[in-house]
Formats: sequence, C-alpha cells, structure tokens
Amino acid sequence: GAVVSQHPSWVICKSGTSVKIECRSLDFQATTMFWYRQFPKQSLMLMATSNEGSKATYEQGVEKDKFLINHASLTLSTLTVTSAHPEDSSFYICSAARSGGGRAGEQYFGPGTRLTVT
Amino acid sequence: GDSVTQMEGPVTLSEEAFLTINCTYTATGYPSLFWYVQYPGEGLQLLLKATKADDKGSNKGFEATYRKETTSFHLEKGSVQVSDSAVYFCTSLGGSNYKLTFGKGTLLTVNP
Repeated sequence: GAVVSQHPSWVICKSGTSVKIECRSLDFQATTMFWYRQFPKQSLMLMATSNEGSKATYEQGVEKDKFLINHASLTLSTLTVTSAHPEDSSFYICSAARSGGGRAGEQYFGPGTRLTVT
Repeated sequence: GDSVTQMEGPVTLSEEAFLTINCTYTATGYPSLFWYVQYPGEGLQLLLKATKADDKGSNKGFEATYRKETTSFHLEKGSVQVSDSAVYFCTSLGGSNYKLTFGKGTLLTVNP
C-alpha cells in the first residue's frame, strides 16, 4: 500500500506555456501533500505544503503566482507551472502524508516529473 | 529551525565492503528519523525509519540506530552490492506539520 503516482513522468514544453503536474495518492487519503524541486545531483528543496481544501503554504523564495498548487481532494494535488521558462526546468517530486492513525505523518513519494522548458 | 547534516559524497566502494554514511540532526523535541534512497532516474523510496531514541530501523541489510545522546542516525550495511548504488538521504520529521528536513544526500557507487 501507500502508492503515490505522478503524471506526467516527463514533459517538454515551450517557453511561455503552462504545464500541470498531477500527484495522486492511490490507496490512502492524504490530508497534506508536498511539492519538491530537485536540481541535478542536489537534495530536494521543499516548494510548498498543500492541505486539502485550503491554500497552499509556500516556502520562502517560491513564487506562488508562478507555481500554482491546488489540493482539491484527499487524493489529488496539482502543481501548475505558469509561463514556464528554461530556468524552471527541473525534477519535480510530490509526496503525500497519511491522514491520522499510527502512521500519520509518514510521507510517500511520487516517482517525479522531469520538466524541460525549451 | 531543524537541520540534518550528512556525510558528503560521493562514496565509492567495492562489492561486499562495509558502508557507513554519517548523519546528525538538530531539532526541537524528538523528531522521527528516516533514510530515503533514490535509485538512478527514480523517485525517493523509504529505506528505514526510527521514531524514538534507541530504536533501530532496518531494511534490505541496512541499519540505523536513533542515538539521542549524539543526535545521530548513521546508516550502515555490512556488505554492499552493486544494486545499492544510489543517493541516500537522511531526513527528520518533527512537529505537527509533517514537514521533512532533508540532508544534502550522499551518492554511493558500488563497483563489482
């Protein structure tokens, strides 16, 4: 159990266009989902924390108008990169934290989405 | 705020060698501690965890013990395999907001 999927797994888009990435918890409910960005050979940088039914909390330095996050249900969060530019090219990873119970807080990671902006 | 410091790599070992990747943490209170592994081209997978002092997490031959007195959670494996080549992240989880704090990651390469 505790599978998290991301779609798409990779995407190439032109500069100026918007891209939506989906993150789904397939077999559990996730009150909280997280979006990370990972640069080559570096650690994960938390971008924002997404709570179902409320506005996302963005980390310092992350543009909320550029990286739109919607957590519409307990199993789905989306990240939209608006007006993408080449510097937005990166590996985006989501994670989902279980709601309640003894394993509350344990995060499960999606496989990541490779975004390339040309 | 919370922080995690882990041994910087890269680490290169021969098959069947002993592995240690050091990790120390700073946190308010008593966080849960995790090791995540990221194989080439893949997302992160939970390798093992420990939720309180003196707990030992273990999986796939890897072990780590939560040491409160030294605020450490070192990862060890007695005999590494080529398939263990990956990036390993030491991570802490504290508070009620489920926010993970990651170390910078250690790249392990195991040669046959």
